[in-house]
Amino acid sequence: QQQVKQSPQSLIVQKGGIPIINCAYENTAFDYFPWYQQFPGKGPALLIAIRPDVSEKKEGRFTISFNKSAKQFSLHIMDSQPGDSATYFCAATILDNYGQNFVFGPGTRLSVLP
Amino acid sequence: EPEVTQTPSHQVTQMGQEVILRCVPISNHLYFYWYRQILGQKVEFLVSFYNNEISEKSEIFDDQFSVERPDGSNFTLKIRSTKLEDSAMYFCASAGQFGEKLFFGSGTQLSVL
Repeated sequence: QQQVKQSPQSLIVQKGGIPIINCAYENTAFDYFPWYQQFPGKGPALLIAIRPDVSEKKEGRFTISFNKSAKQFSLHIMDSQPGDSATYFCAATILDNYGQNFVFGPGTRLSVLP
Repeated sequence: EPEVTQTPSHQVTQMGQEVILRCVPISNHLYFYWYRQILGQKVEFLVSFYNNEISEKSEIFDDQFSVERPDGSNFTLKIRSTKLEDSAMYFCASAGQFGEKLFFGSGTQLSVL
């Protein structure tokens, strides 16, 4: 119930391509779905997040698509750049539970080739 | 931009020894967390802390682990008797009033020999 599944495990695209990372969850009580970006040797950093009352959110080149009925959400990176090469984690939590833990997916290692 | 600070960046210890990992969360934040990550893999929740007490803890956070916020600024994770499998990168994180945006520190790489 608390698990968040993520695929693919790794992804290689050419510069300018549109990598898509998919996540799925079981717990329908989750109400906040962030994506984190992590570079080697650094902690994860919040990239973009969505709540289940909208189906899409876009910030710059990053877009989250959310399908509440399917309990799935995905990250799209438009016009990907070599600097986007990092590990991406989806996560889920129940925001109104104070101190509720964020459940992270296993991560996707993205490589954007020049 | 405010940041979460963790010390030390690397810690090497012998099995059975006690270690204390230290964190200074962002000053006006209310929610504090410890996560760990083994070899760049999954980020695993250990414990959350709010209003000076543990809000939630995972199965990993057994009796050998404890957390403290001794002076209103530092947030520490103590491992009483380290095991080989405790070797991991430990991340501290904090979140503000609404709890939605986690800010992570750069982590402490713990190596248990």
